[in-house]
Amino acid sequence: DQQVKQNSPSLSVQEGRISILNCDYTNSMFDYFLWYKKYPAEGPTFLISISSIKDKNEDGRFTVFLNKSAKHLSLHIVPSQPGDSAVYFCAAQLYGYALNFGKGTSLLVTP
Amino acid sequence: GAGVSQSPSNKVTEKGKDVELRCDPISGHTALYWYRQSLGQGLEFLIYFQGNSAPDKSGLPSDRFSAERTGGSVSTLTIQRTQQEDSAVYLCASSPRTNSYEQYFGPGTRLTVT
Repeated sequence: DQQVKQNSPSLSVQEGRISILNCDYTNSMFDYFLWYKKYPAEGPTFLISISSIKDKNEDGRFTVFLNKSAKHLSLHIVPSQPGDSAVYFCAAQLYGYALNFGKGTSLLVTP
Repeated sequence: GAGVSQSPSNKVTEKGKDVELRCDPISGHTALYWYRQSLGQGLEFLIYFQGNSAPDKSGLPSDRFSAERTGGSVSTLTIQRTQQEDSAVYLCASSPRTNSYEQYFGPGTRLTVT
């Protein structure tokens, strides 16, 4: 039973434009949400997170928005760069340890 | 400093054989996690260690899977009598403490069962 869903398997964006990656979840008890970035043949690397008590967190070009009533979060990358091309995983945390991951969205930023 | 390392990076085995996958966490990290990613799927939680004990084994898919951690450091994930559906990338992560959302992942072991 997939509790974290990323319904778009892929996304293509032009360099300089905004990339918006979406994620939905079903368990209202999740208390932390994270985005991880993964390059081929490497493990996922932590990108940005947000606590369930907040609705926005920003770090440089990356901003995560959380809409608890809709059980939806999104990652905005502005401006997108070719080096941002990777698979992005949304994850949600319950009780402080196990991460529930979505299936990932493959982002391609074209020059 | 050194990150999480895993070995082997790739393993091809015949159905029915046993395999051992190794994880070396970041030095000093007390929490260690195993996940797996099957083709087209997200990362699936398998087991979590706090020190040498495993408070949560709920994600292990069957009794053919087991894991141990010794000295609060290295962990091995053992799969007995491998099946084709065990083919996946097995990822290990560590974090400085329990209740930390910062999990640092290794590069994974790609297991192929033929």
